[in-house]
Amino acid sequence: SAVISQKPSRDICQRGTSLTIQCQVDSQVTMMFWYRQQPGQSLTLIATANQGSEATYESGFVIDKFPISRPNLTFSTLTVSNMSPEDSSIYLCSVEDRGTLDTQYFGPGTRLTVL
Amino acid sequence: AQSVTQPDIHITVSEGASLELRCNYSYGATPYLFWYVQSPGQGLQLLLKYFSGDTLVQGIKGFEAEFKRSQSSFNLRKPSVHWSDAAEYFCAVASDFSGGYNKLIFGAGTRLAVHP
Repeated sequence: SAVISQKPSRDICQRGTSLTIQCQVDSQVTMMFWYRQQPGQSLTLIATANQGSEATYESGFVIDKFPISRPNLTFSTLTVSNMSPEDSSIYLCSVEDRGTLDTQYFGPGTRLTVL
Repeated sequence: AQSVTQPDIHITVSEGASLELRCNYSYGATPYLFWYVQSPGQGLQLLLKYFSGDTLVQGIKGFEAEFKRSQSSFNLRKPSVHWSDAAEYFCAVASDFSGGYNKLIFGAGTRLAVHP
């Protein structure tokens, strides 16, 4: 399965600032996904990032708040913009590995705390 | 709309005891089903998955799950729990292939505690 890394692993940020989270995969993948896991909650899909096209956002998530880049087949970034304490969450990226039958594999996550 | 229900928020078992975590799904067609585990401070690790075929699937770490279409269930089992199994377990169903990819819908999760 694909090996996925995320940077930073955790951060503490001030209200009103922005943070960009990086997701790196050790192999080329078509689809990359970004999820949010609020404290004590399950995972919610933010958007899907396909290389060469704009990200597709889920209901309740907008590009101005969570801009996503996907410059190549092994890398993506998610920016959390104009942060508020409600954005404190774990942000996870995942990739779909078609080599193993449409299965998503997850990165270790980025734990974000907004003060 | 597709959904996943994990009825048990917390479960506590003794080390060496058997374990069953419940998962019920709502999906019109034959579902793709997954179980993931999240250890404290970690990302999600895939335990096992069901796409088709044999309804009893084996996974890593000694886990297995059984797909029962009549009950819309995909329960996770382990015959003997180890202290290192303490974690949060998520059941997920894949939906919406219209874009050519799976969209995972997760259950709320079950937090497993293991007593020595």
